[in-house]
Amino acid sequence: EVQVVESGGGLVKPGGSLRLSCAASGFIFSDYSMNWVRQAPGKGLEWVSFISASSTYVYYGDSVRGRFTISRENAKNSLYLQMDSLSAEDTAIYYCARVTGGYNHGYPDYWGQGTLVTVSA
Amino acid sequence: EVVMTQSPGTLSVSPGERVTLSCRASQSVRNSLAWYQQKPGQAPRLLIYGASTRATGIPARFSGSVSGTEFTLTISRLQSEDFAVYYCHESHTFGGGTKVEIK
Repeated sequence: EVQVVESGGGLVKPGGSLRLSCAASGFIFSDYSMNWVRQAPGKGLEWVSFISASSTYVYYGDSVRGRFTISRENAKNSLYLQMDSLSAEDTAIYYCARVTGGYNHGYPDYWGQGTLVTVSA
Repeated sequence: EVVMTQSPGTLSVSPGERVTLSCRASQSVRNSLAWYQQKPGQAPRLLIYGASTRATGIPARFSGSVSGTEFTLTISRLQSEDFAVYYCHESHTFGGGTKVEIK
């Protein structure tokens, strides 16, 4: 069974940093690209970042570029999101999702349950 | 960057009705559009990919179609468990969502 499980969320002060993790199982992690997608309270889905299977290609949404860093460790079946210079606008549930296909025409097919990040003083 | 526009924002329907949700792309796109269902407190669930292919385990009452840059998700006979928010997705861009609520 395909599973992705996020962790690392919590309360952080504005300007602070947080590192999210995603543990994958039930599929060959090194064969798949991965996404981070977030959802602010009461809002829609926002794509955050993409990383290809071998980390060759990395992309970010405009709202996080330069502050967030996506990475992965295929040997550990793990995906990460390093989030720096956080602001209240980054408050959201962060989902890890497996991607079938590439950056331009792929789609997230399996999603974790998400981890909540709250940025507040 | 493609923009995906969903309509309507909210749809009030009764169980058993046929429902049609729209998603329009701002430019010509390949037919790789996906549809997701999200219920309160849950992660999104993949319903349709490739514009018209149902994901594993998705009931046949869900169907997807495309005409030019207009994509459609149809639920043939709405059941109580189908009340949710539906999102379209293309090229790492999500539509704003359509909420299907009980009339």
